[in-house]
Amino acid sequence: NAGVMQNPRHLVRRRGQEARLRCSPMKGHSHVYWYRQLPEEGLKFMVYLQKENIIDESGMPKERFSAEFPKEGPSILRIQQVVRGDSAAYFCATLPTRTDFSGNTIYFGEGSWLTVV
Amino acid sequence: DQQVKQNSPSLSVQEGRISILNCDYTNSMFDYFLWYKKYPAEGPTFLISISSIKDKNEDGRFTVFLNKSAKHLSLHIVPSQPGDSAVYFCAAKTGANNLFFGTGTRLTVIP
Repeated sequence: NAGVMQNPRHLVRRRGQEARLRCSPMKGHSHVYWYRQLPEEGLKFMVYLQKENIIDESGMPKERFSAEFPKEGPSILRIQQVVRGDSAAYFCATLPTRTDFSGNTIYFGEGSWLTVV
Repeated sequence: DQQVKQNSPSLSVQEGRISILNCDYTNSMFDYFLWYKKYPAEGPTFLISISSIKDKNEDGRFTVFLNKSAKHLSLHIVPSQPGDSAVYFCAAKTGANNLFFGTGTRLTVIP
């Protein structure tokens, strides 16, 4: 997992506040996935992005959630007006290029734990 | 709509024995399958993968079997070691690089 940096590792927000989670990919990686893991559940796909483009956002809730991966800087998952049900671990994974996919080229970050109180 | 399913939430195995973790999928367009190991408070770590054109891939103590007609894959760990205790996720990829995970199986290897 070395090289994919997620921050903050732990975030506490009150209901109604905004949460911003950042994922800095490994050097040379231009594709990012975001996953959510609810307590005692598996990893749910949320969104797949490349720089400046959303490839697939079919797993994103229709409201309050958005993601971006700008040309410069980290990918950001933004949750507006958080509710208790948003409390979960959020993981990102990064990939060098679209054609360079294998178990050895996709790397996960350590995760960001969001707690909504 | 869970396209990748792991129906056993937990499995306990004696040290030295074989651990068999199972995974079923519904999407016939998946072309690549992976197994990940995950410890609490850490990200998933890649273990082993298999292309849809193969039916077996082996790496040391880990072997993955794919049965396309049954849409089923399994991970065999032999011999099992206490350090293998973790949650194991199977994952499947479409041609568009969408990557979907199962719900995980918690493996406990008893010394």
